[in-house]
Amino acid sequence: DQQVKQNSPSLSVQEGRISILNCDYTNSMFDYFLWYKKYPAEGPTFLISISSIKDKNEDGRFTVFLNKSAKHLSLHIVPSQPGDSAVYFCAAGGSGTYKYIFGTGTRLKVLA
Amino acid sequence: KAGVTQTPRYLIKTRGQQVTLSCSPISGHRSVSWYQQTPGQGLQFLFEYFSETQRNKGNFPGRFSGRQFSNSRSEMNVSTLELGDSALYLCASSFLAGGEDTQYFGPGTRLTVL
Repeated sequence: DQQVKQNSPSLSVQEGRISILNCDYTNSMFDYFLWYKKYPAEGPTFLISISSIKDKNEDGRFTVFLNKSAKHLSLHIVPSQPGDSAVYFCAAGGSGTYKYIFGTGTRLKVLA
Repeated sequence: KAGVTQTPRYLIKTRGQQVTLSCSPISGHRSVSWYQQTPGQGLQFLFEYFSETQRNKGNFPGRFSGRQFSNSRSEMNVSTLELGDSALYLCASSFLAGGEDTQYFGPGTRLTVL
């Protein structure tokens, strides 16, 4: 049972436009969510996180939105740059679980 | 501050052999988690250690085991290797793990089983 789902395996966006990556989860006990970016042959790099007490968190070009009632979060990248081309993973964790559940990733391609 | 380091970076083994992978966390981090990444499966949680104690374990067979040392360094071992064990094995460290705590990943060890 996949508790964290990224239903779009790939996404292509023009440089300068907005990229929106989506993530859904099923476990209402999750209260902390993270996004990671991964290049081939490297480990995932932390991008941004959000706690369940918030519905939005911004860091430069990256904004994460959390809709708890829909059990949905999204990552917005504005403006998108070719260097953003990578695989993006969302992850969810709950207090006291000592682990994070990852989605299967979305491959973002930003076209110059 | 140095990041998470993993050794070796690449490994080739044959079926039936065993392998040990090593992870050194970020200085001050006491939690170490291990993940397996295979194409199309994302990152699958293996186990998490904190202060030398395993606090959580994923759904992997007993051939996968791990341990953590007093300096927070961790090792994972896979015995009786199978072809399906070929994957990227990632180690992540954090100060606490669980709750609002961010994990930072190492570069991974690419294991190929022939």
